[in-house]
Amino acid sequence: QQQVKQSPQSLIVQKGGISIINCAYENTAFDYFPWYQQFPGKGPALLIAIRPDVSEKKEGRFTISFNKSAKQFSLHIMDSQPGDSATYFCAARSTDKLIFGTGTRLQVFP
Amino acid sequence: GAGVSQTPSNKVTEKGKYVELRCDPISGHTALYWYRQSLGQGPEFLIYFQGTGAADDSGLPNDRFFAVRPEGSVSTLKIQRTERGDSAVYLCASSFRQGTSNEQFFGPGTRLTVL
Repeated sequence: QQQVKQSPQSLIVQKGGISIINCAYENTAFDYFPWYQQFPGKGPALLIAIRPDVSEKKEGRFTISFNKSAKQFSLHIMDSQPGDSATYFCAARSTDKLIFGTGTRLQVFP
Repeated sequence: GAGVSQTPSNKVTEKGKYVELRCDPISGHTALYWYRQSLGQGPEFLIYFQGTGAADDSGLPNDRFFAVRPEGSVSTLKIQRTERGDSAVYLCASSFRQGTSNEQFFGPGTRLTVL
């Protein structure tokens, strides 16, 4: 019940395309859903986050769509750039600790 | 301002040895978290401090793992009798609890290799 399932495991997108990463959860007590971006050898960095009372949040090229009834949320990266190539983790917060998905390795080719 | 720093960046040890990993949180952050990230996986929660006390240590895998934060700032994760399965990147994060804002800022991690 504490798991967050993430897909796909890897994603290859051409420059300018849309990258979509999906996550699903079971625990309805989760109260905050962040997405983290991680480059090799670095710690995860917060990209964008959403609370369950909001269905969509957009920041620049990054959008989270949240479906509370389906217990699913997704990250959309518009106009994907080679610099977006990294590993992306969805997460859900439960009593202050973050439960992370298994990650999606995104490669954006020029 | 400086971010979360962790030392050492890399630690190689032999099976059975004792190791200490250090985390310096962002100044003023009252909450501090330790996570472990195995290769190809997402970070896994270990322990969370609010001030000096461990608010939640439910993620510590066994009693070989222990963490302290004696003055409410720097934290040390201690691993006794290391095993090869302890090899991972140990991440530290900190946050400033203010209302519902609780963004966790991560350090670069310590890569622990147990031979």
